[in-house]
Amino acid sequence: EDQVTQSPEALRLQEGESSSLNCSYTVSGLRGLFWYRQDPGKGPEFLFTLYSAGEEKEKERLKATLTKKESFLHITAPKPEDSATYLCAALGGGFQKLVFGTGTRLLVSP
Amino acid sequence: NAGVTQTPKFQVLKTGQSMTLQCAQDMNHEYMSWYRQDPGMGLRLIHYSVGAGITDQGEVPNGYNVSRSTTEDFPLRLLSAAPSQTSVYFCASSPSGSNNSPLHFGNGTRLTVT
Repeated sequence: EDQVTQSPEALRLQEGESSSLNCSYTVSGLRGLFWYRQDPGKGPEFLFTLYSAGEEKEKERLKATLTKKESFLHITAPKPEDSATYLCAALGGGFQKLVFGTGTRLLVSP
Repeated sequence: NAGVTQTPKFQVLKTGQSMTLQCAQDMNHEYMSWYRQDPGMGLRLIHYSVGAGITDQGEVPNGYNVSRSTTEDFPLRLLSAAPSQTSVYFCASSPSGSNNSPLHFGNGTRLTVT
């Protein structure tokens, strides 16, 4: 069964304290690994898509990487405005087989 | 562009009542979908549509109906609300029917069924 597991469930950082969020996936025939950011009371907002192992993408303080079993979202020198829930989702080989993880709640304190 | 617009933002229903959650997008996207988000669970697909006149079931379709008469609108109908349908509902769209394009989400409808 296709599965996506995110860790940790919650992460508290001080401003400037870099860290990484993990997304482990077991999906047959991965066609894409997506990262979204979700603010309270809002819908998820797209950040990155990764398609193959070894691929990396960056946006401001965020960098997403992909291996054959997991993806990492690295946050460098975070700011309080980076506080949000980060979701990852894996798209498998079957049509409409997009599986979401439960997310990591990130809180960055000033 | 407004993107994906969902109404209402909040709704309280009694068990057995019916209602329609509205979703509209102004990006001319072919693909639209409905998800529910529950604590401790990932987003789960309820129904989806790859174009006007075409709909299909997702992972958790029971108790819900959809229709797609136009490209812009994709309403979700609860036929007879149950407490198990208490959730936050998100509508999402993407340009491609193959769903490997990123999804654009609305801001959700928080539904409580008592």
